[in-house]
Amino acid sequence: EVQLVQSGAEVKKPGESLKISCKDSGYTFTTSWIGWVRQMPGKGLEWMGIVYFGDSRTRYSPSFAGQVTISADKSINTAYLQWSSLKASDTAMYYCARLSAYSYYFDHWGQGTLVTVSS
Amino acid sequence: QSALTQPPSASGSLGQSVTISCTGTSSDVGGYNYVSWYKQHPGKAPKVIIYEVNRRPSGVPDRFSGSRSGNTASLTVSGLQAEDEADYYCNSFAGSNNFVFGGGTKLTVL
Repeated sequence: EVQLVQSGAEVKKPGESLKISCKDSGYTFTTSWIGWVRQMPGKGLEWMGIVYFGDSRTRYSPSFAGQVTISADKSINTAYLQWSSLKASDTAMYYCARLSAYSYYFDHWGQGTLVTVSS
Repeated sequence: QSALTQPPSASGSLGQSVTISCTGTSSDVGGYNYVSWYKQHPGKAPKVIIYEVNRRPSGVPDRFSGSRSGNTASLTVSGLQAEDEADYYCNSFAGSNNFVFGGGTKLTVL
């Protein structure tokens, strides 16, 4: 059964770097696309980008291109979302979600990783 | 790539029906048969309830239905129940593995 398990909550200072993860504990990621979604406090879902596990191809929302890096390591069934220099406005819940193998919708979601950026 | 437009709130009484709209463009909602809807309870991860405009995943009650006319998709919840109170988000494929979400609608069951 597909189960996406995300890394734990993080508290960081502005300017610090961060890499959060999303691991599938019960499925082969090899042919999957994994997306990342941001949800700022009290706000809606925002699609950030997506990575193909087979060859690490990525697509970014124009709103997030250049702001974050999405990657994957198929040897350990894990996708990543990283920042080189965090800002207070990066404070949010971040979800990973798997794109259906048969269509264009997200059929399984991780539990979310809360990132708090504060001085 | 702008967010899809949803009403911020909707409400209905127990047993009634409510419809939530989701307006995009011909580059997303109107251009592909890949509109999906997600339900999110506070503090929980979203869950898909409709995909490909009007298809329901296994386990989703048939009280939930989807449709589309032009660049506007709609989610209808019939026979409202207390557990339907949640936030609802539409999403559309926008070509080349790009996607866009709606701003979300908070559904209140009166």
